[in-house]
Amino acid sequence: GEDVEQSLFLSVREGDSSVINCTYTDSSSTYLYWYKQEPGAGLQLLTYIFSNMDMKQDQRLTVLLNKKDKHLSLRIADTQTGDSAIYFCAERGTGFQKLVFGTGTRLLVSP
Amino acid sequence: NAGVTQTPKFQVLKTGQSMTLQCAQDMNHEYMSWYRQDPGMGLRLIHYSVGAGITDQGEVPNGYNVSRSTTEDFPLRLLSAAPSQTSVYFCASRQGGLGTDTQYFGPGTRLTVL
Repeated sequence: GEDVEQSLFLSVREGDSSVINCTYTDSSSTYLYWYKQEPGAGLQLLTYIFSNMDMKQDQRLTVLLNKKDKHLSLRIADTQTGDSAIYFCAERGTGFQKLVFGTGTRLLVSP
Repeated sequence: NAGVTQTPKFQVLKTGQSMTLQCAQDMNHEYMSWYRQDPGMGLRLIHYSVGAGITDQGEVPNGYNVSRSTTEDFPLRLLSAAPSQTSVYFCASRQGGLGTDTQYFGPGTRLTVL
């Protein structure tokens, strides 16, 4: 079945770049997403990329997709303390519309 | 718009009790879903609905029932709570089935079963 994996924890200093990585197994994935979850809150969609793209940039966020290796990454430039949260990648196959989520990466940004 | 609302925010149950987690959205979205979030496991889909009167099972449906009598509401029922159902439950909705449709999440219900 589908599986999505992420490293559990990342710590960076304010102003540095953060790179959060994700690998997935479903070769039929059509869309891949990055969500942000702040403490005590639900998930908020940050950005997504269609599977025929290899890069998408949205302000401080850059998403890279290596479809051959089934590897997705999210780069946050000039990371701020407000970026501290859990980041989930998710993939959607060709079926309903089920999203398969990774385990989440907790990003801690220190001043 | 209030978006996706969930009640209650917190709940403690004893094993064997039943309860209903409420979810409502005011965006006229067709698609609604329930997920549970457990440490180290990401979010897992419990049940989903593609419109009023239509529901289907997700990845982990056992022990849960849903119904969708209106577009706005999608309650999740626990028939006989078990400690394994201790989790944070999220309801989500989106307009349609396009990959570009944004999925909106509620704030979650934290459930503890003793």
